[in-house]
Amino acid sequence: AQSVTQPDIHITVSEGASLELRCNYSYGATPYLFWYVQSPGQGLQLLLKYFSGDTLVQGIKGFEAEFKRSQSSFNLRKPSVHWSDAAEYFCAVDHFSGGGADGLTFGKGTHLIIQP
Amino acid sequence: GAVVSQHPSWVICKSGTSVKIECRSLDFQATTMFWYRQFPKQSLMLMATSNEGSKATYEQGVEKDKFLINHASLTLSTLTVTSAHPEDSSFYICSARGLVGTDTQYFGPGTRLTVL
Repeated sequence: AQSVTQPDIHITVSEGASLELRCNYSYGATPYLFWYVQSPGQGLQLLLKYFSGDTLVQGIKGFEAEFKRSQSSFNLRKPSVHWSDAAEYFCAVDHFSGGGADGLTFGKGTHLIIQP
Repeated sequence: GAVVSQHPSWVICKSGTSVKIECRSLDFQATTMFWYRQFPKQSLMLMATSNEGSKATYEQGVEKDKFLINHASLTLSTLTVTSAHPEDSSFYICSARGLVGTDTQYFGPGTRLTVL
């Protein structure tokens, strides 16, 4: 079965500094990878996704992620964080078989704290 | 586009009663909907997958007689927590996926259930 590991439970970053959130997956075939953000009182919002092609994917809000098959990683990055980026971030994998019938397996999340 | 709503956003009920949670795709037809459960400060765990017009598929360890799922139309799925107990208190989140072969799940804002 697939699994997703987010090794950092909490990360604190100063406003304006760069950010990298780590995600490692365990899955035999080519995974479909996602990053979601969850803010208090709001639903999960999709930041970006990777299915195939260019391994560096651009998302919303200035986020990007790089798929590295050799490292089984899909780390999320942002060059300069804003206070509004403080939230919970989830990495997820989908064993998408083309039938659209598969749910997502989520990592445990990384809580991002922004220092002024 | 791709908006998913949930109702109610929060509910408090007495132990032993049943609670129904609705999940609607507002601007697209969802052939598949998913139900997740999220405990405080933890990740989302997939409970079940429901396809319009057919029985839901439950994940291992999820009691199908306690968590009744109905997906009667392409825009509505319901989760009924039967004979709720305090340990059922949690945050329930649904997601919806559109036409077969599409690749992204859109999440509802969640429903906070508290069982007294």
